[in-house]
Amino acid sequence: DAKTTQPNSMESNEEEPVHLPCNHSTISGTDYIHWYRQLPSQGPEYVIHGLTSNVNNRMASLAIAEDRKSSTLILHRATLRDAAVYYCILGQTINQAGTALIFGKGTTLSVSS
Amino acid sequence: GAVVSQHPSWVICKSGTSVKIECRSLDFQATTMFWYRQFPKQSLMLMATSNEGSKATYEQGVEKDKFLINHASLTLSTLTVTSAHPEDSSFYICSAPPMTDSYEQYFGPGTRLTVT
Repeated sequence: DAKTTQPNSMESNEEEPVHLPCNHSTISGTDYIHWYRQLPSQGPEYVIHGLTSNVNNRMASLAIAEDRKSSTLILHRATLRDAAVYYCILGQTINQAGTALIFGKGTTLSVSS
Repeated sequence: GAVVSQHPSWVICKSGTSVKIECRSLDFQATTMFWYRQFPKQSLMLMATSNEGSKATYEQGVEKDKFLINHASLTLSTLTVTSAHPEDSSFYICSAPPMTDSYEQYFGPGTRLTVT
């Protein structure tokens, strides 16, 4: 499986944008880039995914480098509730049914008021 | 979004006893469910894939006789930790991708197991 590399931790202040980087230099042409986050003592939750183009949804934006070897999750205005571990995961297919997500170490985001 | 529940949310048991953890998809069906284990300050580690109507497949290093998985229906998978030991204390999380095409997997809230 292609591997991702993320910083161990990042800090942000409330109301400020947060850019969470992810390197995936061995990504294959069919790998989708998925982001999940895990709040303390909870199961992970889906944030966003993309293949080649930048993506926006109500939670975040995903910027994908032109060579697809890196991507950045953007939280436009961090809140205290965004403090979590963020995981960047490569998936072989857009249809996740039957395919387990393999989690790396993720980035622990701290948000200060 | 779809909901996955786990029961119990936390359990304390004595060493040598067995504990059953349930994972249910509440508003969708799933032929496959996944079980993860997470130790403090660590990431989720995939333990096994639960398949409805067939045997579970286990990741390397996970003892299938110790962690019994039964996928009883399209909405229920159970993980039984047999002869639990203190080193089995962990946060157990299940996930269920819907049978229909979906880019999103849904995770349960987790079960905190403490073995004394």
